[in-house]
Amino acid sequence: KAGVTQTPRYLIKTRGQQVTLSCSPISGHRSVSWYQQTPGQGLQFLFEYFSETQRNKGNFPGRFSGRQFSNSRSEMNVSTLELGDSALYLCASGKGAAGELFFGEGSRLTVL
Amino acid sequence: GEDVEQSLFLSVREGDSSVINCTYTDSSSTYLYWYKQEPGAGLQLLTYIFSNMDMKQDQRLTVLLNKKDKHLSLRIADTQTGDSAIYFCAEGMDSNYQLIWGAGTKLIIKP
Repeated sequence: KAGVTQTPRYLIKTRGQQVTLSCSPISGHRSVSWYQQTPGQGLQFLFEYFSETQRNKGNFPGRFSGRQFSNSRSEMNVSTLELGDSALYLCASGKGAAGELFFGEGSRLTVL
Repeated sequence: GEDVEQSLFLSVREGDSSVINCTYTDSSSTYLYWYKQEPGAGLQLLTYIFSNMDMKQDQRLTVLLNKKDKHLSLRIADTQTGDSAIYFCAEGMDSNYQLIWGAGTKLIIKP
């Protein structure tokens, strides 16, 4: 069974640009969560989508947005990039009543 | 407020047992999780425990939960170099994927 796939794995952008990251969950998983991971702030929850609806949202500015498609694939977008947006962005698909999360390898974004 | 705390580093000798500790504050949490992150990789779910249990064992891993003290620990028996990673503790509710995470404990293995 294929795991969670995130693309691209690495990308470099400059301040003011925007970026779109993609996540394909494990087949059959309807929940997709996004996290930002930085050395200073650790793992921070961005948002969670379930059946194309945003179900939970973390404390991030409106520059961070996401969506989920009918096939459960999800994208997140960051507009007007800032240096502080440099991070590893992790996507996780969820399954089961125990709330288990299965993570992708992440997309490492560097903003110059 | 809700918070999960872990010490940042743990150093053990190869072959010894590692015990990684975690404290949490939300007594209504249903599940408590341990995830492992190797360098350059995403997080891997190691194990989880339901809040009405006090122990769970899975091969070299033993999870102990003291609900009264809101203390969770992960014991890794016979620690190997491949166990070098950052270990995250997290808490969550039924079917709710918005987990609350600790900062992670980096496990360092000494030869």
